[in-house]
Amino acid sequence: DVVLTQTPSTLSATIGQSVSISCRSSQSLLDSAGNTYLYWYLQRPGQSPQLLIYLVSNLGSGVPNRFSGSGSGTDFTLKISGVEAEDLGVYYCMQATHAPYTFGAGTKLELK
Amino acid sequence: QVQLKESGPGLVQPSQTLSLTCTVSGFSLTSNSVHWVRQPPGKGLEWMGGIWGDGSTDYNSALKSRLSISRDTSKSQVFLKMNSLQTDDTAIYFCSRGGPDWGQGVMVTVSS
Repeated sequence: DVVLTQTPSTLSATIGQSVSISCRSSQSLLDSAGNTYLYWYLQRPGQSPQLLIYLVSNLGSGVPNRFSGSGSGTDFTLKISGVEAEDLGVYYCMQATHAPYTFGAGTKLELK
Repeated sequence: QVQLKESGPGLVQPSQTLSLTCTVSGFSLTSNSVHWVRQPPGKGLEWMGGIWGDGSTDYNSALKSRLSISRDTSKSQVFLKMNSLQTDDTAIYFCSRGGPDWGQGVMVTVSS
């Protein structure tokens, strides 16, 4: 199974600060058709996960453009350019290139 | 409008079988996949398995021996059955079409 390693596990930030989260895969997420099924989700307390980024770098519907995704192969990054209070919660990367699908362990974003 | 809603018992006894239903609307099960994801209290997301538009299934390797996912397309329902439940199966169970479409989740407690 594909293992996704997220770092850091906890991120402390001030409002307005830019932060990045890394997601590294144990094998390439590029499929034979040239697609990379790497997603980023935010889960706020008591809520279902909310899609932020799909296919590495595409912004989900209604997601603010301070969120961006990048990467290729086995190395991916989520960046928040100017943290806002509503961004606090746990961020997960997920791969859907290889079955079984897998999630990273999560990165908790909290206020410093 | 895409909707997914999980239903099932809130309490299951150890060693018993869990049966959950995901009722969907706004899309066809024959052309979309539905997945089950769970989250133990205070822990991360775990992909359990999915059923594809053609009716084939994939499962988390660690759960494969205990887990079965099926569907009734005429009722727009997807089913999860997992046997030999233990206390560490206590979790919120979500169904999802993938991407932005998730149910609200159902809490299942395994306890005598």
